[in-house]
Amino acid sequence: GQNIDQPTEMTATEGAIVQINCTYQTSGFNGLFWYQQHAGEAPTFLSYNVLDGLEEKGRFSSFLSRSKGYSYLLLKELQMKDSASYLCAVDNTNAGKSTFGDGTTLTVKP
Amino acid sequence: GAGVSQSPSNKVTEKGKDVELRCDPISGHTALYWYRQSLGQGLEFLIYFQGNSAPDKSGLPSDRFSAERTGGSVSTLTIQRTQQEDSAVYLCASSGERPEQFFGPGTRLTVL
Repeated sequence: GQNIDQPTEMTATEGAIVQINCTYQTSGFNGLFWYQQHAGEAPTFLSYNVLDGLEEKGRFSSFLSRSKGYSYLLLKELQMKDSASYLCAVDNTNAGKSTFGDGTTLTVKP
Repeated sequence: GAGVSQSPSNKVTEKGKDVELRCDPISGHTALYWYRQSLGQGLEFLIYFQGNSAPDKSGLPSDRFSAERTGGSVSTLTIQRTQQEDSAVYLCASSGERPEQFFGPGTRLTVL
């Protein structure tokens, strides 16, 4: 089966750094996605990690450790518009689909 | 090019009625997914189409739910004899050569 865990809620201050963790237990792992979903909107793609290590994309970075079944999304220089739900998803192409975690709701406060 | 589109954007129906939700994926995308999302919850996988292969229906919650994809493009999700617990946002997504999924704006279904 598939099991993906991430914190339900997090709060951070504007301008700060926040790290959102995701742990997973799956079979046939190919890679790990992070998506951002603002309230009332559809998810949008942020990152996709296949190999171990950190990938940086502007203010957002994503890290993967395949041996530990662990990933995190790092958001720097937080802005109010970063308040959203962040979804971790495992790409399990062997099963033909991705499995999503329940999401972490991030609230950025001034 | 155009993104994933879904119609209708909102649907209010009475308990016991049937509803059809439509998804137009990005042109050329071979994979198409349907998800359900209740308020404040994560994405619940419903069904997955990949090319001409048999669809993965493992997420459909009951036999009242069905979906088809005609000509490898447009997909319709049908819910028969709707129940109040079917109320949710139904999201469609598609993907192509790259594995990331592109989501449509969703259909908000309310069953009275």
